[in-house]
Amino acid sequence: EVQLVESGGGLVQPGESLRLSCAASGFTISPYGMIWVRQAPGEGLEWISYINGVSSAIYYADSVKGRFTVSRDNAKNTLDLQMNSLRAEDTAVYYCARDRANTYSDYWGQGSLVTVSS
Amino acid sequence: QSALTQPPSASGSPGQSVTISCTGTSSDVGGYNYVSWYQQHPGKAPKLMIYDVSKRPSGVPDRFSGSKSGNTASLTVSGLQAEDEASYFCSSYAGNNNRVFGGGTKLTVL
Repeated sequence: EVQLVESGGGLVQPGESLRLSCAASGFTISPYGMIWVRQAPGEGLEWISYINGVSSAIYYADSVKGRFTVSRDNAKNTLDLQMNSLRAEDTAVYYCARDRANTYSDYWGQGSLVTVSS
Repeated sequence: QSALTQPPSASGSPGQSVTISCTGTSSDVGGYNYVSWYQQHPGKAPKLMIYDVSKRPSGVPDRFSGSKSGNTASLTVSGLQAEDEASYFCSSYAGNNNRVFGGGTKLTVL
């Protein structure tokens, strides 16, 4: 069974950093692109980053560019999101998902809540 | 504000059909055949229902169908069932390696 499990969320103050991880099981992530998507309270989904299977193509939404960094460890079957200089507007549930060339996502995790507040 | 516009709510009685719209621009929905739809029950992970405008992944009932006309994509759920009650999100490739999502539509089965 394909599973994605996010971890690392929590409460941080503005300006601080947090690192999210996404552990995959039931499949090998290496051939697949992966994305991070977030959902602020009461809002829709927002795509924030894509990384291809060999980390040669990495893209970010303008809202996080320069602050967030996505990486993957195919040997460990994991995906990470390093989030720096966090702002209140970054408060959201963050989802990782298996993706097809940044066009659609066929498996999603349950999400990890990040709250940025003083 | 989400990049793609969806109605906040939709409803229908069991057995009826309901269509949810997703309106974008010529830079996203209208420019590419890469519209996808996701179902999300409260507290659960989103589930892919439709990809590439009208393709259904294995295991998704054929009661779910997708289409597109111009800058507007649509998801139709036929023969509504109680378990279809959920939120539905659309997504489109938006060029320049970007993806956009809609604000979501809460479908109520009356």
